[in-house]
Amino acid sequence: AQSVTQLGSHVSVSEGALVLLRCNYSSSVPPYLFWYVQYPNQGLQLLLKYTSAATLVKGINGFEAEFKKSETSFHLTKPSAHMSDAAEYFCAVSEGNPGGYQKVTFGIGTKLQVIP
Amino acid sequence: DVKVTQSSRYLVKRTGEKVFLECVQDMDHENMFWYRQDPGLGLRLIYFSYDVKMKEKGDIPEGYSVSREKKERFSLILESASTNQTSMYLCASSSVRERREMVYEQFFGPGTRLTVL
Repeated sequence: AQSVTQLGSHVSVSEGALVLLRCNYSSSVPPYLFWYVQYPNQGLQLLLKYTSAATLVKGINGFEAEFKKSETSFHLTKPSAHMSDAAEYFCAVSEGNPGGYQKVTFGIGTKLQVIP
Repeated sequence: DVKVTQSSRYLVKRTGEKVFLECVQDMDHENMFWYRQDPGLGLRLIYFSYDVKMKEKGDIPEGYSVSREKKERFSLILESASTNQTSMYLCASSSVRERREMVYEQFFGPGTRLTVL
């Protein structure tokens, strides 16, 4: 069974500081991994995804994440936080299902606050 | 530009009412999903559909039903609304056509915030 753990439901960083949002997963097969972002009063938007190609994945808005199989982690980083990064971030995992439905399991989310 | 729309952004209903939440996507996606989002619980899957008239229960289907008569439209029905169904409801869709990578990005609507009094 697949699962996702996001460490820290709230994270605060200063503007210009490094953003690090942690995600650990559990999966019985090689997983597909996602980070989504949700801005206030909006739906979720895909930031980036890992598809078993490169382990370092670059996404939109300067975010990137590194897949580390030995640590079962997929942490999200951004070198320099911007005020517009304030949002809720969700990590998600999928085990895939060839030719069929692919169930996605979401973490509980991490709210990022950026302090001026 | 891909688009998933939901019929209402905010909805207030009374206990016992029958509630319909509508979702429409214009991307010709096969899969459609209904989630509810609650603080501290993340997104939980209620129902999904992989084809017209096909539906599967998710993790928390109790108290809900769904309808998919057309490919682009997926409706969530609360047969008799209760206060514990007060939540944010998110609809999403995905395609099965990316078979090479088998990775199906989900596209989300803006959500419907339902309050049951």
